[in-house]
Amino acid sequence: DTAVSQTPKYLVTQMGNDKSIKCEQNLGHDTMYWYKQDSKKFLKIMFSYNNKELIINETVPNRFSPKSPDKAHLNLHINSLELGDSAVYFCASRMGLAGVSEQFFGPGTRLTVL
Amino acid sequence: ELKVEQNPLFLSMQEGKNYTIYCNYSTTSDRLYWYRQDPGKSLESLFVLLSNGAVKQEGRLMASLDTKARLSTLHITAAVHDLSATYFCAVGEGSGAGSYQLTFGKGTKLSVIP
Repeated sequence: DTAVSQTPKYLVTQMGNDKSIKCEQNLGHDTMYWYKQDSKKFLKIMFSYNNKELIINETVPNRFSPKSPDKAHLNLHINSLELGDSAVYFCASRMGLAGVSEQFFGPGTRLTVL
Repeated sequence: ELKVEQNPLFLSMQEGKNYTIYCNYSTTSDRLYWYRQDPGKSLESLFVLLSNGAVKQEGRLMASLDTKARLSTLHITAAVHDLSATYFCAVGEGSGAGSYQLTFGKGTKLSVIP
């Protein structure tokens, strides 16, 4: 059983398009995250949600809009895609109430903007 | 702003040799995580270190944390090819459930050669 899943795994699209990435976790966690990993493998947090509420929004362009319909899902919608958006996007989750519990990562979505 | 520095960023080592990866960070956090990432794959949690002097071992890998020196190490003993991967350290900060976030180092790409 996959703990944190993402769809799609690969996404190739043209500049200017709008696309969405979906994330689901079946771990019963209450906190979910989006990270961006660039071509140099550097990982940086983008957003965090706790119980469907946005908590962290790290200087991400407002073309990126996360949405959490429930605790188990956190989707990422990107408008007007740019070349610089090409990266691997990872979803992660943890049990926030457990203090410093570890984060579990999804398999990643490789986004290529042409 | 929290800074997390790993070194070396690239490491090529022969099978059977020992080596240490270093992770320095700029705050007083006592929450340190090590992750492994294989090419094209997600991040796999290796160790969670939550107190000064914490030491954890799994197989040929041993991680330690010195919060006073703001330093964590990942020691590799008698390396084997299967350990080839990129290793990330991450420092945790924040107090609320959703505000708790990880700041990652740039990763150490380890190649173990016969």
